Amino acid sequence: DVKVTQSSRYLVKRTGEKVFLECVQDMDHENMFWYRQDPGLGLRLIYFSYDVKMKEKGDIPEGYSVSREKKERFSLILESASTNQTSMYLCASSPQGMAGGYTFGSGTRLTVV
Amino acid sequence: GEDVEQSLFLSVREGDSSVINCTYTDSSSTYLYWYKQEPGAGLQLLTYIFSNMDMKQDQRLTVLLNKKDKHLSLRIADTQTGDSAIYFCAENDILTGGGNKLTFGTGTQLKVEL
Repeated sequence: DVKVTQSSRYLVKRTGEKVFLECVQDMDHENMFWYRQDPGLGLRLIYFSYDVKMKEKGDIPEGYSVSREKKERFSLILESASTNQTSMYLCASSPQGMAGGYTFGSGTRLTVV
Repeated sequence: GEDVEQSLFLSVREGDSSVINCTYTDSSSTYLYWYKQEPGAGLQLLTYIFSNMDMKQDQRLTVLLNKKDKHLSLRIADTQTGDSAIYFCAENDILTGGGNKLTFGTGTQLKVEL
């Protein structure tokens, strides 16, 4: 069964901490994405990558960075966590073709206190 | 930029049909998607439609596309309590390096009442 795995379902971090959210896919997909989901705002794209070591800013990249050293792994980094980064974070991947859309992970609910 | 809009809530009785609507702005979108999110889970692809189609049916699901009005709808026939979830509409944009980037709507919370 193909899947996208996010390393943690729930995380609680303190303000100012550096936070790593990990995402691994086993489908050999070229494209990987990080979204955050907030009530009433839907999904907002933070960063995406269409190749190893490549990254592109999404709609809300401020306060975040990413790393893609291997094709299967895409990490989201909060350099200095703040309370307004409390959210559900969703990772997704997709192949080069357009049909079929994304495959999503189960999400990481991050609370910053 | 691209924008995708949906109403936030829909309530229906079990056994009735549900219709979830979506409007989008990018006329160059090649594919449009419907995703379902159950509580505490990620998004699951329900169905998608190619932009040169008007309708696509898949069991209880019917997708209608009005490209002129940039309007997409998802009809769920014989709605069941297990259909209670958030439904997201999405349109795709082609990336410079290949592949696609999806822009999602805000999601419609469907509540199915007995």
